[in-house]
Formats: sequence, structure tokens, C-alpha cells
Amino acid sequence: QVQLVESGGGLVKPGGSLRLSCAASGFTFSDYYMSWIRQAPGKGLEWVSYISSSGSTIYYADSVKGRFTISRDNAKNSLYLQMNSLRAEDTAVYYCAREYSGYEDYWGQGTLVTVSS
Amino acid sequence: AIRMTQSPSSLSASTGDRVTITCRASQGISSYLAWYQQKPGKAPKLLIYAASTLQSGVPSRFSGSGSGTDFTLTISCLQSEDFATYYCQQYYSYPPKTFGQGTKVEIK
Repeated sequence: QVQLVESGGGLVKPGGSLRLSCAASGFTFSDYYMSWIRQAPGKGLEWVSYISSSGSTIYYADSVKGRFTISRDNAKNSLYLQMNSLRAEDTAVYYCAREYSGYEDYWGQGTLVTVSS
Repeated sequence: AIRMTQSPSSLSASTGDRVTITCRASQGISSYLAWYQQKPGKAPKLLIYAASTLQSGVPSRFSGSGSGTDFTLTISCLQSEDFATYYCQQYYSYPPKTFGQGTKVEIK
């Protein structure tokens, strides 16, 4: 069965950095586009970034462009999100999700990122 | 960016009720719309894609309709496990992919 397990969240000071990871299993990871989507406490869903199966196509939300970097290692079945220059408004649960024909069909359980001094 | 607006933001209903949630896109998105269910503390779960196609394993009491700018999610006979927040998402034109603000279905 498809499994996505995020890790790497935690408490970080404003201006700091964090790297999230997502370990995928149960499907051929290298065949799928992957996304990061976040949810601030008590708020709705916000798409953050996605990466094509080969890594050649990458998009970001304007709110994170220039600060976040998405990447993947198909040999390790892993997705990453490098987050730099973190702000209080980046505080959220970050989900990795598998993209299928444009929509997200499987989601991980999420990892909480808290940006606070 | 395409803006997605859901209504209502919340509703109260009883087990057995028929519930309808509306999602409107700021421009036409054909049938490139998905619906997700999210329970507290859990990840969203895909219910419907392509506006009306039920994801495998999703109960048939869930149905979706619409195309262009106006869409609905209907739960024909609300069950206790259906109390949750529901989100629509357009994937017609991205980036960015955009979600509605969510509709919370609460117990009356």
C-alpha cells in the first residue's frame, strides 16, 4: 500500500532553516510527480510546491519562492523541502502528497513546523 | 490564480441527512476539480476527482457534480464518520493549485 512518511519538522527561530523529508513506499516513486502542501493551525490547505517525476520541472507558491527548495532522490524514494529564511507565517503542518493527473491522491500524516522566537 | 469559494463555511446536520456543499471557481476549470475530506489531526483524504469520479474505496453516498465554475459535493445519507471538514481543489491551471477555504460539517 502507498505510504508517505514525513519527518524533519520542529521548532525553529525566525530566519532559521529546516529540511523536511518524505519517505515513500508501496509504489514506483520515480513514476510520480510529488507535492508539498501545508496547513497553518486552524486554517485551510495551501499548496506549496511540486516536482516532476524526474525533477526537471519545479513550481513554487509565491509565498515561498526564493526561500524554499524542493528536491527528490528517486534512488532513495525520498522527497525533500529545504526551507530557509523561515517566518512566523510559515508555521504549519507540512504534508507531502503524491500527484496523480493533477490532483493529490495520497497524503502523508504531516510534520509540524513551528517558527517562533 | 484561480480563486475557489466554498459555501457554506460550516453547517450542522444530523445523521441520515442529505448534505450539499458548493464550490465556485473564479473562472472556468472544466471538470478539473477534486474534493477532499479531513478529520481533526489527520491528513486530507481524496474523495472525488474529475468533479464526479469517486476515488476507489469511497462510499457511494458521496457524489460530485458540476463543470465550468460551479460544483457540488453531496452526501446522500450522512453517517457519524462523515463529520469532518471538506475542501475542493482546482487543478485546471497551476501553479498555483488552489483550494477552497473548507466546509466544516458538524453534528446538530
